[in-house]
Amino acid sequence: NAGVTQTPKFQVLKTGQSMTLQCAQDMNHNSMYWYRQDPGMGLRLIYYSASEGTTDKGEVPNGYNVSRLNKREFSLRLESAAPSQTSVYFCASSVGMVYEQYFGPGTRLTVT
Amino acid sequence: SQQGEEDPQALSIQEGENATMNCSYKTSINNLQWYRQNSGRGLVHLILIRSNEREKHSGRLRVTLDTSKKSSSLLITASRAADTASYFCATAGRGTGNQFYFGTGTSLTVIP
Repeated sequence: NAGVTQTPKFQVLKTGQSMTLQCAQDMNHNSMYWYRQDPGMGLRLIYYSASEGTTDKGEVPNGYNVSRLNKREFSLRLESAAPSQTSVYFCASSVGMVYEQYFGPGTRLTVT
Repeated sequence: SQQGEEDPQALSIQEGENATMNCSYKTSINNLQWYRQNSGRGLVHLILIRSNEREKHSGRLRVTLDTSKKSSSLLITASRAADTASYFCATAGRGTGNQFYFGTGTSLTVIP
């Protein structure tokens, strides 16, 4: 089992460009999450999907959109990247909400 | 604002000593979880304690939960250099819309 995989590992964007971060899990988990981690801020929840077919905003959703493509895949899209979105992005999954989460290795995004 | 806050922000100890870190949170919870993050990696789940539990053990880890004080502590006994990492508490459920909130973390350095 690969667990939670994320692509790409690194990305540099110019302000205004768009991109999609991909996440997939092979643990048959129902819930999936996108977080961003900034120095000194811990992890902040961007969006989550409690189950296939549903998505909800987290703590910091502005500037992002998500798609729960199927039970395995949950993507995060930046439509018009801004320097404030420079961060490390983590995808996670869990059997259900409130259960332990399994994290991917992260995507380091720099917006110039 | 974030739900959990860890204390201290940084901790440096000698190998073999015990390490204690604390977490405070603001609203009622379903459970509280502790995660570990090695530099440049994703988070790894360590232990989950439910709101009706007061203490839990897992190997060299001991977690306590005091819901009346809205606080938790993580004790790592007989620390090893390999325990060097950042440790985060996360609160889930009840009162937080089933969202996870992570604290800002404690950076632990174990000196060989």
